[in-house]
Amino acid sequence: QVQLQESGPGLVRPSQTLSLSCSVSGGSISGGTFYWTWIRQPAGKGLEWVGRVYASGSTDYNPSLKSRVTISVDTANNQFSLRLTSVTAADTAVYFCARGDYYGYYTIWGQGTMVIVSS
Amino acid sequence: SYVLTQPPSVSLAPGKTARITCGGNNIGSKSVHWYQQKPGQAPVVVIHSDSDRPSGIPERFSGSNSGNTATLTIRGVEAADEADYYCVVWDHTTDEPAVVFGGGTKLSVL
Repeated sequence: QVQLQESGPGLVRPSQTLSLSCSVSGGSISGGTFYWTWIRQPAGKGLEWVGRVYASGSTDYNPSLKSRVTISVDTANNQFSLRLTSVTAADTAVYFCARGDYYGYYTIWGQGTMVIVSS
Repeated sequence: SYVLTQPPSVSLAPGKTARITCGGNNIGSKSVHWYQQKPGQAPVVVIHSDSDRPSGIPERFSGSNSGNTATLTIRGVEAADEADYYCVVWDHTTDEPAVVFGGGTKLSVL
């Protein structure tokens, strides 16, 4: 049973870099044809796709965030990570990591981690 | 960028049939997934690939997709179905392909 767990600071200062990790347990991040994905949700609002990484390291990003986002995979530690630079209050959200297919079908989700951008 | 349009809310009495729409340009040519999200929880897929129901999802949930509208249908709604529902597609019609979420529909069971 594959499980995902997000981790990282809950508070980030404006203009700084948000860094989160998603630990994969119960299976190998390199196994299968899965896309390891970050999705976020501001309080009281809808879901927003941030981007994804394949085990090979290839990535796709939300065009609206592309200039600030980097998603990478660490196969040695069975985890993948999100970096979002130059954050503002608009980046305050619950960040979910998820495993899915090429077409956005996500069957496994982390519980989500709240990140607040504030001075 | 590709836009998916959902009604903000749908309200109905228990036992009725809920139809939640997801509008998008030629969405019928794409594969649509539907997620249910309850407060404080991660989303759960209730329909994938237009009309396939994952194991464990009640048969009351069904999906269709044609033309410019995809629809999630929930027959005989129950209080437990009260949640936010999101449609999702993979759009590759631009130079910057991306997964796109609809704005979400809050289903209220009166």
